[in-house]
Amino acid sequence: NAGVMQNPRHLVRRRGQEARLRCSPMKGHSHVYWYRQLPEEGLKFMVYLQKENIIDESGMPKERFSAEFPKEGPSILRIQQVVRGDSAAYFCASSPSLGQSSGNTIYFGEGSWLTVV
Amino acid sequence: KNEVEQSPQNLTAQEGEFITINCSYSVGISALHWLQQHPGGGIVSLFMLSSGKKKHGRLIATINIQEKHSSLHITASHPRDSAVYICAGDFGNEKLTFGTGTRLTIIP
Repeated sequence: NAGVMQNPRHLVRRRGQEARLRCSPMKGHSHVYWYRQLPEEGLKFMVYLQKENIIDESGMPKERFSAEFPKEGPSILRIQQVVRGDSAAYFCASSPSLGQSSGNTIYFGEGSWLTVV
Repeated sequence: KNEVEQSPQNLTAQEGEFITINCSYSVGISALHWLQQHPGGGIVSLFMLSSGKKKHGRLIATINIQEKHSSLHITASHPRDSAVYICAGDFGNEKLTFGTGTRLTIIP
């Protein structure tokens, strides 16, 4: 039973390019969460998705960032026109049906490290 | 406001020492998570607690609901325990609020 799979593990983008980060949740998990860890800072919630629905995107920057979790395939975190300040580690996590607040353990991926040059 | 505070920020100890990392939180928590992160690495979930105490190997996590406080203990610490330990609160809204982490270094 594979864990939460994230790719790419490391991504380098020039300013102005687009970054796409992918997350495949654990088998049977329908809840996906994205968190960002800026250099020398703690983790911060970005967005919570269920299949085909964005449930809570209160942690997403208002512009350039979007997320989706389609019926088929991985969840995608998309950052358009990247800037240096987007350089961070982006972690995906998943939990089973009913979500983490119902007492289900949350499982994290290995993270995707984005560097904007 | 949902807040989680962690201490100490950095902790260095000799191999074999008993380690305690503390976490306090604001009201309304439904569960408290302890996570481990190695440098440049992923995040591993160690414990999820809503009451009492849990033990896994040399790791023990406790939570006191009345005091709004949790502790992570490591017995017989080993250099491979060196990592950042993070507590995170679930305030029932499906998004974790994280402490700033404790960087633990165990010296052989």
